Amino acid sequence: AQTVTQSQPEMSVQEAETVTLSCTYDTSESDYYLFWYKQPPSRQMILVIRQEAYKQQNATENRFSVNFQKAAKSFSLKISDSQLGDAAMYFCAYRSEGTQGGSEKLVFGKGTKLTVNP
Amino acid sequence: DAMVIQNPRYQVTQFGKPVTLSCSQTLNHNVMYWYQQKSSQAPKLLFHYYDKDFNNEADTPDNFQSRRPNTSFCFLDIRSPGLGDAAMYLCATSRDSFYEQYFGPGTRLTVT
Repeated sequence: AQTVTQSQPEMSVQEAETVTLSCTYDTSESDYYLFWYKQPPSRQMILVIRQEAYKQQNATENRFSVNFQKAAKSFSLKISDSQLGDAAMYFCAYRSEGTQGGSEKLVFGKGTKLTVNP
Repeated sequence: DAMVIQNPRYQVTQFGKPVTLSCSQTLNHNVMYWYQQKSSQAPKLLFHYYDKDFNNEADTPDNFQSRRPNTSFCFLDIRSPGLGDAAMYLCATSRDSFYEQYFGPGTRLTVT
């Protein structure tokens, strides 16, 4: 079974600074997807960024980027120019590639609570 | 613009009194998921539907059941809630296994 580990229960960053959240995972599969989800205090989970394992290029979405190291099974999230609205719980998640018509589940890490200080 | 809607947002029930949580979606997605999230923990998948096909996680207690009468709606039934069932319940949808999951705002269940 796949597992996802987030070793930082809490992180803090100054507004406008950069922060990196760590995530490692364990799998024997070669094809899979990795995600970072954000869950603000209002509790609605929002997708931040996704990475396909077959792609060597790291995914980027505006101020959010990942460092995907497939051999090391590492998938860290970098938030640049941090804003107060970035304060949230961040979950790293793994999903098997699955098959057409299938419904593969997400395996979540325990989350990292990010605080942004003004 | 609400895409995944959960009602109610807050639900209080008594120990042992059946309760039903509701989820609806405007995305016409094939898959609907129910997660349980306890305080400061990761969401844990309870079960999901692919169209009308029900898929139960092996460790989901029998106390939890689900119904999906049509594409848009899915219900979570807790037959006899215990104190340990107090949690946030999240509904999510996806078009298919290849696509992202979209989450609703959740229903916070309190058991008294």
